[in-house]
Amino acid sequence: AQTVTQSQPEMSVQEAETVTLSCTYDTSESDYYLFWYKQPPSRQMILVIRQEAYKQQNATENRFSVNFQKAAKSFSLKISDSQLGDAAMYFCAYSPINTGNQFYFGTGTSLTVIP
Amino acid sequence: DGGITQSPKYLFRKEGQNVTLSCEQNLNHDAMYWYRQDPGQGLRLIYYSQIVNDFQKGDIAEGYSVSREKKESFPLTVTSAQKNPTAFYLCASSKRGRGIRKLFFGSGTQLSVL
Repeated sequence: AQTVTQSQPEMSVQEAETVTLSCTYDTSESDYYLFWYKQPPSRQMILVIRQEAYKQQNATENRFSVNFQKAAKSFSLKISDSQLGDAAMYFCAYSPINTGNQFYFGTGTSLTVIP
Repeated sequence: DGGITQSPKYLFRKEGQNVTLSCEQNLNHDAMYWYRQDPGQGLRLIYYSQIVNDFQKGDIAEGYSVSREKKESFPLTVTSAQKNPTAFYLCASSKRGRGIRKLFFGSGTQLSVL
Protein backbone atom coordinates (compact mmCIF):
# COMPACT_ATOMS: atom_id res chain seq x y z
CA ALA A 1 0.00 0.00 0.00
CA GLN A 2 1.15 3.49 -0.79
CA THR A 3 0.18 6.02 1.84
CA VAL A 4 0.94 9.62 2.62
CA THR A 5 0.83 10.85 6.21
CA GLN A 6 0.58 14.41 7.42
CA SER A 7 0.73 14.27 11.20
CA GLN A 8 -0.08 17.92 11.85
CA PRO A 9 -3.78 18.64 11.26
CA GLU A 10 -3.28 22.31 12.18
CA MET A 11 -0.34 24.67 12.38
CA SER A 12 0.01 28.38 13.00
CA VAL A 13 2.77 30.89 12.32
CA GLN A 14 3.35 34.55 12.96
CA GLU A 15 3.49 36.73 9.90
CA ALA A 16 7.08 37.04 8.58
CA GLU A 17 8.20 33.96 10.52
CA THR A 18 9.12 30.51 9.20
CA VAL A 19 7.05 27.36 9.48
CA THR A 20 7.67 23.74 8.51
CA LEU A 21 4.95 21.29 7.54
CA SER A 22 5.69 17.58 7.81
CA CYS A 23 4.92 14.75 5.43
CA THR A 24 5.97 11.11 5.38
CA TYR A 25 5.10 8.48 2.82
CA ASP A 26 5.27 4.75 2.54
CA THR A 27 6.32 3.09 -0.69
CA SER A 28 8.39 0.28 -2.10
CA GLU A 29 9.03 2.24 -5.30
CA SER A 30 12.38 3.89 -5.93
CA ASP A 31 11.31 6.37 -8.59
CA TYR A 32 8.53 8.84 -7.92
CA TYR A 33 7.45 12.44 -7.59
CA LEU A 34 6.43 14.35 -4.47
CA PHE A 35 4.29 17.45 -4.38
CA TRP A 36 2.92 20.07 -2.07
CA TYR A 37 -0.44 21.54 -3.05
CA LYS A 38 -2.09 24.56 -1.44
CA GLN A 39 -5.87 24.91 -1.08
CA PRO A 40 -6.91 28.44 0.02
CA PRO A 41 -10.46 29.27 1.13
CA SER A 42 -11.48 29.49 -2.54
CA ARG A 43 -10.81 25.71 -2.59
CA GLN A 44 -8.81 25.97 -5.82
CA MET A 45 -5.90 23.52 -5.63
CA ILE A 46 -2.59 25.16 -6.48
CA LEU A 47 0.74 23.40 -6.99
CA VAL A 48 3.32 24.89 -4.64
CA ILE A 49 6.38 22.77 -5.31
CA ARG A 50 7.44 19.47 -6.88
CA GLN A 51 10.37 17.15 -6.16
CA GLU A 52 11.67 14.30 -8.28
CA ALA A 53 12.99 11.44 -6.17
CA TYR A 54 16.07 10.83 -8.29
CA LYS A 55 17.25 14.40 -7.68
CA GLN A 56 19.17 14.84 -4.45
CA GLN A 57 18.92 18.60 -4.51
CA ASN A 58 15.94 19.96 -2.61
CA ALA A 59 13.43 21.91 -4.69
CA THR A 60 12.91 25.61 -4.03
CA GLU A 61 10.28 28.05 -5.27
CA ASN A 62 10.79 31.56 -3.90
CA ARG A 63 9.80 31.43 -0.19
CA PHE A 64 8.91 27.73 -0.38
CA SER A 65 11.48 24.98 -0.05
CA VAL A 66 11.47 21.31 0.80
CA ASN A 67 13.61 18.99 2.88
CA PHE A 68 13.56 15.69 1.03
CA GLN A 69 14.99 12.73 2.95
CA LYS A 70 14.57 9.72 0.67
CA ALA A 71 15.86 7.08 3.08
CA ALA A 72 13.55 8.34 5.81
CA LYS A 73 10.69 8.79 3.31
CA SER A 74 10.16 12.30 4.56
CA PHE A 75 9.19 15.39 2.56
CA SER A 76 8.68 18.54 4.63
CA LEU A 77 7.71 21.98 3.34
CA LYS A 78 9.32 25.11 4.72
CA ILE A 79 7.61 28.45 4.24
CA SER A 80 9.84 31.43 4.93
CA ASP A 81 8.71 35.00 5.60
CA SER A 82 5.11 33.81 6.00
CA GLN A 83 2.45 36.05 4.55
CA LEU A 84 -1.28 36.32 5.24
CA GLY A 85 -1.94 34.86 1.80
CA ASP A 86 -0.17 31.66 2.80
CA ALA A 87 -3.09 30.72 5.06
CA ALA A 88 -4.58 27.59 3.51
CA MET A 89 -4.81 23.83 3.65
CA TYR A 90 -1.61 22.21 2.46
CA PHE A 91 -1.63 18.73 0.98
CA CYS A 92 1.35 16.49 0.43
CA ALA A 93 1.08 14.13 -2.55
CA TYR A 94 3.06 11.26 -4.01
CA SER A 95 3.07 9.83 -7.53
CA PRO A 96 5.08 6.75 -8.48
CA ILE A 97 6.63 6.78 -11.93
CA ASN A 98 5.82 3.23 -12.96
CA THR A 99 2.32 2.52 -11.66
CA GLY A 100 -0.27 4.13 -13.85
CA ASN A 101 0.12 7.85 -13.35
CA GLN A 102 -1.67 7.81 -9.99
CA PHE A 103 -1.44 10.42 -7.27
CA TYR A 104 -1.87 9.77 -3.54
CA PHE A 105 -2.72 12.54 -1.08
CA GLY A 106 -2.29 13.10 2.64
CA THR A 107 -5.10 14.41 4.83
CA GLY A 108 -3.78 17.94 4.86
CA THR A 109 -2.45 20.54 7.29
CA SER A 110 -4.45 23.69 7.95
CA LEU A 111 -2.07 26.65 8.23
CA THR A 112 -3.11 29.82 10.03
CA VAL A 113 -1.01 32.97 9.67
CA ILE A 114 -1.25 35.33 12.63
CA PRO A 115 -0.83 39.04 11.81
CA ASP B 1 -6.02 30.09 -21.72
CA GLY B 2 -5.80 26.38 -21.10
CA GLY B 3 -7.41 24.85 -18.09
CA ILE B 4 -10.02 22.59 -16.56
CA THR B 5 -13.64 23.66 -16.32
CA GLN B 6 -15.99 22.06 -13.84
CA SER B 7 -19.70 22.74 -13.78
CA PRO B 8 -21.88 23.45 -12.03
CA LYS B 9 -20.18 25.11 -9.07
CA TYR B 10 -23.03 24.05 -6.76
CA LEU B 11 -25.39 21.12 -7.24
CA PHE B 12 -28.27 19.78 -5.21
CA ARG B 13 -29.51 16.22 -5.36
CA LYS B 14 -32.89 14.91 -4.35
CA GLU B 15 -33.41 11.48 -2.84
CA GLY B 16 -33.17 8.73 -5.46
CA GLN B 17 -31.88 11.06 -8.15
CA ASN B 18 -28.81 10.64 -10.34
CA VAL B 19 -26.79 13.77 -11.01
CA THR B 20 -23.90 14.39 -13.40
CA LEU B 21 -20.90 16.61 -12.78
CA SER B 22 -19.16 17.99 -15.83
CA CYS B 23 -15.40 18.21 -16.34
CA GLU B 24 -13.78 19.55 -19.51
CA GLN B 25 -10.09 20.24 -20.18
CA ASN B 26 -8.30 21.91 -23.07
CA LEU B 27 -4.79 21.07 -21.91
CA ASN B 28 -4.49 18.08 -24.25
CA HIS B 29 -3.88 15.83 -21.25
CA ASP B 30 -4.34 12.10 -21.58
CA ALA B 31 -5.09 11.34 -17.93
CA MET B 32 -8.10 12.62 -16.00
CA TYR B 33 -9.23 12.03 -12.43
CA TRP B 34 -12.15 12.54 -10.06
CA TYR B 35 -11.51 13.12 -6.39
CA ARG B 36 -13.89 13.51 -3.48
CA GLN B 37 -13.03 15.83 -0.59
CA ASP B 38 -14.81 15.71 2.76
CA PRO B 39 -14.13 18.14 5.63
CA GLY B 40 -11.01 17.17 7.53
CA GLN B 41 -10.05 14.53 5.01
CA GLY B 42 -7.70 14.46 2.12
CA LEU B 43 -8.57 13.79 -1.48
CA ARG B 44 -9.92 10.35 -2.18
CA LEU B 45 -9.81 8.95 -5.70
CA ILE B 46 -13.13 7.95 -7.22
CA TYR B 47 -12.21 7.11 -10.83
CA TYR B 48 -9.39 7.83 -13.21
CA SER B 49 -8.81 7.46 -16.93
CA GLN B 50 -5.50 7.23 -18.75
CA ILE B 51 -6.87 7.22 -22.29
CA VAL B 52 -10.13 7.64 -24.16
CA ASN B 53 -12.66 4.81 -23.72
CA ASP B 54 -10.79 3.41 -20.73
CA PHE B 55 -11.12 4.12 -17.01
CA GLN B 56 -10.37 2.44 -13.69
CA LYS B 57 -11.98 2.47 -10.28
CA GLY B 58 -10.28 4.34 -7.49
CA ASP B 59 -10.61 3.76 -3.76
CA ILE B 60 -14.25 4.86 -3.42
CA ALA B 61 -15.94 4.08 -6.76
CA GLU B 62 -19.12 2.55 -5.33
CA GLY B 63 -22.17 4.64 -6.19
CA TYR B 64 -20.39 6.54 -8.96
CA SER B 65 -19.98 6.06 -12.70
CA VAL B 66 -17.91 7.78 -15.40
CA SER B 67 -17.40 7.83 -19.14
CA ARG B 68 -14.51 8.94 -21.32
CA GLU B 69 -15.78 9.23 -24.88
CA LYS B 70 -13.61 12.24 -25.71
CA LYS B 71 -10.13 13.18 -24.58
CA GLU B 72 -11.38 16.54 -23.33
CA SER B 73 -14.30 15.31 -21.25
CA PHE B 74 -14.66 13.10 -18.18
CA PRO B 75 -18.14 13.44 -16.63
CA LEU B 76 -18.96 11.90 -13.26
CA THR B 77 -22.42 10.59 -12.40
CA VAL B 78 -23.38 10.31 -8.76
CA THR B 79 -26.03 7.63 -8.67
CA SER B 80 -28.81 7.01 -6.16
CA ALA B 81 -26.70 4.14 -4.84
CA GLN B 82 -24.31 6.66 -3.30
CA LYS B 83 -25.98 7.16 0.08
CA ASN B 84 -23.75 9.94 1.34
CA PRO B 85 -22.97 12.12 -1.68
CA THR B 86 -22.55 15.46 0.09
CA ALA B 87 -18.96 16.50 -0.59
CA PHE B 88 -16.70 18.70 -2.67
CA TYR B 89 -15.73 17.06 -5.97
CA LEU B 90 -12.54 17.90 -7.78
CA CYS B 91 -11.65 16.98 -11.33
CA ALA B 92 -8.01 16.93 -12.36
CA SER B 93 -5.86 16.11 -15.35
CA SER B 94 -2.26 15.26 -16.02
CA LYS B 95 0.12 14.53 -18.85
CA ARG B 96 1.51 11.05 -18.82
CA GLY B 97 5.17 10.27 -18.64
CA ARG B 98 8.32 11.28 -16.91
CA GLY B 99 9.42 14.85 -16.36
CA ILE B 100 6.07 16.48 -16.90
CA ARG B 101 3.96 14.87 -14.26
CA LYS B 102 1.77 17.11 -12.14
CA LEU B 103 -1.93 17.43 -11.51
CA PHE B 104 -3.95 20.37 -12.74
CA PHE B 105 -7.26 20.90 -10.96
CA GLY B 106 -10.61 22.39 -11.78
CA SER B 107 -12.36 24.73 -9.37
CA GLY B 108 -14.62 22.02 -7.97
CA THR B 109 -18.30 21.23 -7.55
CA GLN B 110 -20.03 21.28 -4.16
CA LEU B 111 -22.75 18.63 -4.12
CA SER B 112 -25.40 18.71 -1.42
CA VAL B 113 -28.44 16.60 -0.69
CA LEU B 114 -31.85 18.26 -0.41
